[in-house]
Amino acid sequence: DQQVKQNSPSLSVQEGRISILNCDYTNSMFDYFLWYKKYPAEGPTFLISISSIKDKNEDGRFTVFLNKSAKHLSLHIVPSQPGDSAVYFCAASARGNNNDMRFGAGTRLTVKP
Amino acid sequence: NAGVTQTPKFQVLKTGQSMTLQCAQDMNHNSMYWYRQDPGMGLRLIYYSASEGTTDKGEVPNGYNVSRLNKREFSLRLESAAPSQTSVYFCASRTGVGEKLFFGSGTQLSVL
Repeated sequence: DQQVKQNSPSLSVQEGRISILNCDYTNSMFDYFLWYKKYPAEGPTFLISISSIKDKNEDGRFTVFLNKSAKHLSLHIVPSQPGDSAVYFCAASARGNNNDMRFGAGTRLTVKP
Repeated sequence: NAGVTQTPKFQVLKTGQSMTLQCAQDMNHNSMYWYRQDPGMGLRLIYYSASEGTTDKGEVPNGYNVSRLNKREFSLRLESAAPSQTSVYFCASRTGVGEKLFFGSGTQLSVL
């Protein structure tokens, strides 16, 4: 069961423009959400997170928005840079006895110079 | 500052062979995880260990076993490898609930 979904396998944007990556989840118990970035032949690295008590978290060029009623989150990158070209994974986890963390299928972002 | 270390980086097996993927973290993290990454499927959780002495199944546990040897080490064993287990395997760790995961650099496994 795919509890975290990223429906866009790829996204291409021009350098300097905004990149918007989307993620949907089905498990209402999720209360902590993260975005990871992955370059080829490397492990994923943490980018930004948000807890369910917030609806926005910003870190430099990266902003994550959470819409709990729609079970949807998005990552905005402004302005996009060629070095941002990578695969981006959305992830979610829940408190309680279950300590696992589930990931989406990823979106490959290409930023063109 | 090693973080999460996985060995080996590459491995080729024949169908039916067994092997153990090793993972160690030096960040004093309580929780450790094994994921596999396949094209179009993203990262899927195989097993995790919320704390030393406990292990739990994730989304795709069939064909795998794990051992949380101590707080630092969490190994993944394939008893009888199958071509469907060809994948890139990532180990990860974190302090606990509400914290981010730190990943190793991965093991690329091919089963012929």
